[in-house]
Amino acid sequence: DAGITQSPRHKVTETGTPVTLRCHQTENHRYMYWYRQDPGHGLRLIHYSYGVKDTDKGEVSDGYSVSRSKTEDFLLTLESATSSQTSVYFCAISEPPEYNEQFFGPGTRLTVL
Amino acid sequence: GNSVTQMEGPVTLSEEAFLTINCTYTATGYPSLFWYVQYPGEGLQLLLKATKADDKGSNKGFEATYRKETTSFHLEKGSVQVSDSAVYFCALGDIQGAQKLVFGQGTRLTINP
Repeated sequence: DAGITQSPRHKVTETGTPVTLRCHQTENHRYMYWYRQDPGHGLRLIHYSYGVKDTDKGEVSDGYSVSRSKTEDFLLTLESATSSQTSVYFCAISEPPEYNEQFFGPGTRLTVL
Repeated sequence: GNSVTQMEGPVTLSEEAFLTINCTYTATGYPSLFWYVQYPGEGLQLLLKATKADDKGSNKGFEATYRKETTSFHLEKGSVQVSDSAVYFCALGDIQGAQKLVFGQGTRLTINP
C-alpha cells in the first residue's frame, strides 16, 4: 500500500471555526490532491499541488485553502467551517507521467454542526 | 467541460452473476479512462485503465473497453463474488492543462451469497 496517512480521521466541529486537515505521504510523489466525497457527486477536486509551494484550484475550491511547505505534507484548511462542508475528505498522490494513477489515503470524516 | 455519467445504483446481485456497470463520458480530445473501486471504510484504489480507443483494461476478473464511437467504458465481470461488494467509480483523465481526474458519481454494488 502507498504510504499515505490523513489526520484526523474523524472530526466534529462547529460552524465558524477553522479546521485543518493534514495529508502525509512517504512516497516522495510530486502531485498531491484534496477531494471531497458526497452522495450523488462522486469525488470532486478541491485543490491540488504539483510541487512544494505550487498549488492550484480544483472544481470546488471556494471556502478552502491549501499549503504545501514540504514534499510530504499537504494541508487543507477550512477558514470558517460551514455545514455545507460536512463531507468525507480524501487526499491522493501521483507521480508524473502517470498523473491519473492516483493513490488515495483512508479519508477524514468531517462533521460541521 | 469534461464529465462522466455512471448508471444509477445501488446494484444488488447474487454471487456468480454477470456484472455490467455502465459508464459514458463527454470530453474534448482523447482522455484516458479509469475505473476506481472503494471498499467499505477505505480510500479509492485503481482497478483498471485504458489509454486509447479500443484498449481493454483488465484486473481481478474485471474488464472494460474504451469505445470512442459510443463514448463508453462499461465495467464487466463474468462471475462476481461477495468480496466484490464496493463502490465503483468511472473516471477520465482531463488532458486540458494540468492532469486531473474527473469522476462519475459512483455505483454501489452489493453481492449476496
